[in-house]
Amino acid sequence: AQKITQTQPGMFVQEKEAVTLDCTYDTSDPSYGLFWYKQPSSGEMIFLIYQGSYDQQNATEGRYSLNFQKARKSANLVISASQLGDSAMYFCAMRDQTGANNLFFGTGTRLTVIP
Amino acid sequence: ETGVTQTPRHLVMGMTNKKSLKCEQHLGHNAMYWYKQSAKKPLELMFVYSLEERVENNSVPSRFSPECPNSSHLFLHLHTLQPEDSALYLCASSTRDRAHNSPLHFGNGTRLTVT
Repeated sequence: AQKITQTQPGMFVQEKEAVTLDCTYDTSDPSYGLFWYKQPSSGEMIFLIYQGSYDQQNATEGRYSLNFQKARKSANLVISASQLGDSAMYFCAMRDQTGANNLFFGTGTRLTVIP
Repeated sequence: ETGVTQTPRHLVMGMTNKKSLKCEQHLGHNAMYWYKQSAKKPLELMFVYSLEERVENNSVPSRFSPECPNSSHLFLHLHTLQPEDSALYLCASSTRDRAHNSPLHFGNGTRLTVT
């Protein structure tokens, strides 16, 4: 079964606007971690933000915030005030107790910021 | 140098060649990973080394052979590859912990083309 689902192959956003990238996950473990990565055309995977399953508050890192809805098993990434440099692939990932050695990735969403 | 460094950035090899990919991390991490990224597929974990001991091998064909001589270096030895092995190969490192909150830090990847 797919552990991470990203249903948006591509998204467009106007510069300076906010955008939400969707991610749902599947696990029966009570303890898990959720991650978002950015992959520019250069290929490097850049870690953006982390949310733990027991965290009470939604994670925030600068212009990135994670909308964590545990009951719905969703962990959407919100990027505020989009910049041209935000154009890239974005991957949601999860690590749980079952696959403790592995970080399960979704298929990604390609974000294009329009000037 | 900081972060995770992979060499070479690009590699073209014939099916009868033998080549090696190199990864080096300067983050003081104790776990290193090889991932394969093919078009339109989630990242696939190939190998995990923790404290220089291989802890996971996800049914990867024997034509891929990893080597981890110390906690800072990781190699992927390639021989008699197939065209379907053409992909971006990403190395990553992290701190091993039970809380699942350690992000993986990735290198820029090696773009491999098998002809």
